[in-house]
Amino acid sequence: DAGITQSPRHKVTETGTPVTLRCHQTENHRYMYWYRQDPGHGLRLIHYSYGVKDTDKGEVSDGYSVSRSKTEDFLLTLESATSSQTSVYFCAILKEGSYEQYFGPGTRLTVT
Amino acid sequence: AQSVSQHNHHVILSEAASLELGCNYSYGGTVNLFWYVQYPGQHLQLLLKYFSGDPLVKGIKGFEAEFIKSKFSFNLRKPSVQWSDTAEYFCAVTTNFGNEKLTFGTGTRLTIIP
Repeated sequence: DAGITQSPRHKVTETGTPVTLRCHQTENHRYMYWYRQDPGHGLRLIHYSYGVKDTDKGEVSDGYSVSRSKTEDFLLTLESATSSQTSVYFCAILKEGSYEQYFGPGTRLTVT
Repeated sequence: AQSVSQHNHHVILSEAASLELGCNYSYGGTVNLFWYVQYPGQHLQLLLKYFSGDPLVKGIKGFEAEFIKSKFSFNLRKPSVQWSDTAEYFCAVTTNFGNEKLTFGTGTRLTIIP
């Protein structure tokens, strides 16, 4: 499973509150990704990182920010959560050379 | 930007039936293609991938896929499904070599009836 953990695994929060999700990896992979999964949409890329302090936007980045101060941690922040951000969030790493992405267990976020 | 289409949203089969799930992508250049599976309540797992070479690729659990460049397709097949294959299946493509951003299809839910 490429040593990926996500925390929390489940969270319920209220509209307007800030939320931070954490992705932690143990294998020093350079590339990390955040996706959201919604019925009828598959998985969509929110942000990704290609190194410490190096991040870029994906296709659905509005309302989200990320930070990567250490190789092993990639944080996703919802500055002011909205109901449209209710989703399952998956973190992934890229195994360089293989072009394969491996996914974490996911975080189910509900915004009420 | 590239896109991926999975036209079968929900497929229901009996055990031992043959399976083919469609995947089409839109991009004129070089692509890497993937099939992922998500069992109920679990995260995505890689089933198989195509980068180059033999267009017929074999993956885990008896799955295979064929890359047909002229049709922009990468259909997933299995000759005889089992109840344990009940899951959601996602096709994905990368074209930006270097950052490997995956573009996913919307997924196909497969239900196998014992």
